[in-house]
Amino acid sequence: ETGVTQTPRHLVMGMTNKKSLKCEQHLGHNAMYWYKQSAKKPLELMFVYSLEERVENNSVPSRFSPECPNSSHLFLHLHTLQPEDSALYLCASSQDWGSGQGKYEQYFGPGTRLTVT
Amino acid sequence: QKEVEQDPGPLSVPEGAIVSLNCTYSNSAFQYFMWYRQYSRKGPELLMYTYSSGNKEDGRFTAQVDKSSKYISLFIRDSQPSDSATYLCAMSLGGYNKLIFGAGTRLAVHP
Repeated sequence: ETGVTQTPRHLVMGMTNKKSLKCEQHLGHNAMYWYKQSAKKPLELMFVYSLEERVENNSVPSRFSPECPNSSHLFLHLHTLQPEDSALYLCASSQDWGSGQGKYEQYFGPGTRLTVT
Repeated sequence: QKEVEQDPGPLSVPEGAIVSLNCTYSNSAFQYFMWYRQYSRKGPELLMYTYSSGNKEDGRFTAQVDKSSKYISLFIRDSQPSDSATYLCAMSLGGYNKLIFGAGTRLAVHP
């Protein structure tokens, strides 16, 4: 596996379900991100983790719960979602901004297409 | 006013044309500028990454940043049907690297 992978690629869930999205990066990075991409809207940053510590929670409802057990893995736990949460959820990774390497490009995974019914 | 403005298109050009894609922004503190390409139902793919002002060239792609005008551009030379995608501009202040994205411009290159 190379780059950033995400599973599942597609997910349909009811409003009372609990599910998790998984992201894994194989780039040796130590910062990871969750983004939401809805139709006709710019990508919205949800969460940022640096060195496994959450450093940004962009006013995301508590029905979204992130987890970063190590620098290669990132999860997004979902529960009691609403239909308006249907979107493409993208994971990205980069070098940590404190690494001093001056390379902060973010690399994205293919996304999970989520439909809430 | 949005922090980053990008014309959503769609932009339709014939194969071989030079394509110009643009974004304007309001925050003069942005320092890092990126262009991503996103094919339908795929994740964004990083095309170009530029720090501060100036030009950067990579094959058929040239990125320009004009900080005095708060304007960035991506030029695609000899466009191909495989360039048909949505192009997203993104920029960052640095720090913890929060990216602000434009809405994306849909490009169609027809044979």
